[in-house]
Amino acid sequence: DAGVIQSPRHEVTEMGQEVTLRCKPISGHDYLFWYRQTMMRGLELLIYFNNNVPIDDSGMPEDRFSAKMPNASFSTLKIQPSEPRDSAVYFCASRGQGAANEQFFGPGTRLTVL
Amino acid sequence: AQRVTQPEKLLSVFKGAPVELKCNYSYSGSPELFWYVQYSRQRLQLLLRHISRESIKGFTADLNKGETSFHLKKPFAQEEDSAMYYCALMTGGSYIPTFGRGTSLIVHP
Repeated sequence: DAGVIQSPRHEVTEMGQEVTLRCKPISGHDYLFWYRQTMMRGLELLIYFNNNVPIDDSGMPEDRFSAKMPNASFSTLKIQPSEPRDSAVYFCASRGQGAANEQFFGPGTRLTVL
Repeated sequence: AQRVTQPEKLLSVFKGAPVELKCNYSYSGSPELFWYVQYSRQRLQLLLRHISRESIKGFTADLNKGETSFHLKKPFAQEEDSAMYYCALMTGGSYIPTFGRGTSLIVHP
C-alpha cells in the first residue's frame, strides 16, 4: 500500500482563485481527516469523515472551505475564493476502527496564496 | 473539554545532551496518549504510544496521571532527532485525537 496519497504536493495560486486539494486514504480505513498546519497554530483539525459521512466540520474556518468524500477512496478539500491567509500545509490522514489505531498521514499539500 | 498543551514551540539542544519535550493534557478520564513526529520534508508518523510502553529511537514517554503529563524524553539527543513533535490525546470511546501545537526540536552538532 502506498499509504495516504495527496495531490498536488505544492500549489501556488493567486488570491481569489479556487483551490482543490485531493486525498486518497488507505484502503479499508473508515476515518478520514483533513488538517491544516501553520507555524502560528500548529496542527488544526478542519473536518473528519466516518464511512464517507462528514461527522464534525467545526474546525472549518469559514464558508469558503468545503470538503467532500464521494466514496471511500477519495476526498477533496476546496477553498473558494482563496486568500493569502489560507497559505499553509494541508494534511489528509486516515485510520481504521479501534481506539488504539494510529492515524496515517499523507505527505501534505503546501498551499501558497499570493 | 479535552486539551493538549505543549508549552515550548522550540527546543534547542546540543548533540549528546538530554532532551525532554513537555506535554500536559486535560481530561478527567483514562486517556490514550501518543507522540507523533515529523522529520523535515516527511509526513507525520507515529513515534510511540503510552499503552505500548516502548522505547523508539531512544525516546520514552511515561504517562503521569497525577501530573496529567506525557513528556517525551531521550537521554542523549542526536542530530537526526531534529524534527517537529506533536503530542496527541484520545479519550475513551473517541477515535478522534486532539493534537498539541507541536514542539520543534533542533539538535545542534
